[in-house]
Amino acid sequence: AQKVTQAQTEISVVEKEDVTLDCVYETRDTTYYLFWYKQPPSGELVFLIRRNSFDEQNEISGRYSWNFQKSTSSFNFTITASQVVDSAVYFCALSVTYGNNRLAFGKGNQVVVIP
Amino acid sequence: DAGVTQSPTHLIKTRGQHVTLRCSPISGHKSVSWYQQVLGQGPQFIFQYYEKEERGRGNFPDRFSARQFPNYSSELNVNALLLGDSALYLCASSYRVADSYEQYFGPGTRLTVT
Repeated sequence: AQKVTQAQTEISVVEKEDVTLDCVYETRDTTYYLFWYKQPPSGELVFLIRRNSFDEQNEISGRYSWNFQKSTSSFNFTITASQVVDSAVYFCALSVTYGNNRLAFGKGNQVVVIP
Repeated sequence: DAGVTQSPTHLIKTRGQHVTLRCSPISGHKSVSWYQQVLGQGPQFIFQYYEKEERGRGNFPDRFSARQFPNYSSELNVNALLLGDSALYLCASSYRVADSYEQYFGPGTRLTVT
């Protein structure tokens, strides 16, 4: 079975500070995909980033960056120079193909950016 | 292009009633998935359909059922509603059924069971 753990529940930061969200996953499969989604108060989940299990290269996309380490089964996500619009719930998710691409989500991190 | 659309936006039902939720995927997407998100939790997978066939089912009772139509839209049906069915129901579409394809979510239907 697949499992995703996001330990922190609510994180508050002052605007322009960086915020890092931790994600630990469990799977026995060697091929899988990891995702980060953002859920603003409107409720719609917004896709942010995707990483496959064979690519541990860490990247930066705008103010977003991620750190994927298979050795520790972690897929951490960082928002640099946070803005008030970043206030939302962020979910880490794992997908393994067994004839479908169901997502297993963590419980989410509530990020509050204080102006 | 229009994103994933869901109807209705909000719904209030009484215990024991039946409810039907509807979803239209992004144009060109052939897969639709349904998720239940209880307040304060992450979404939980209910069903996935691809080309009108069920491709996956989560750990939900038989009161939950779904189907996909030839135009790839989908319905989620829940019978004999319980208070615990109160949640945000999210629909997601993807081009194909493979974990390399990200899923795009609709705004959800908020169901309240009283």
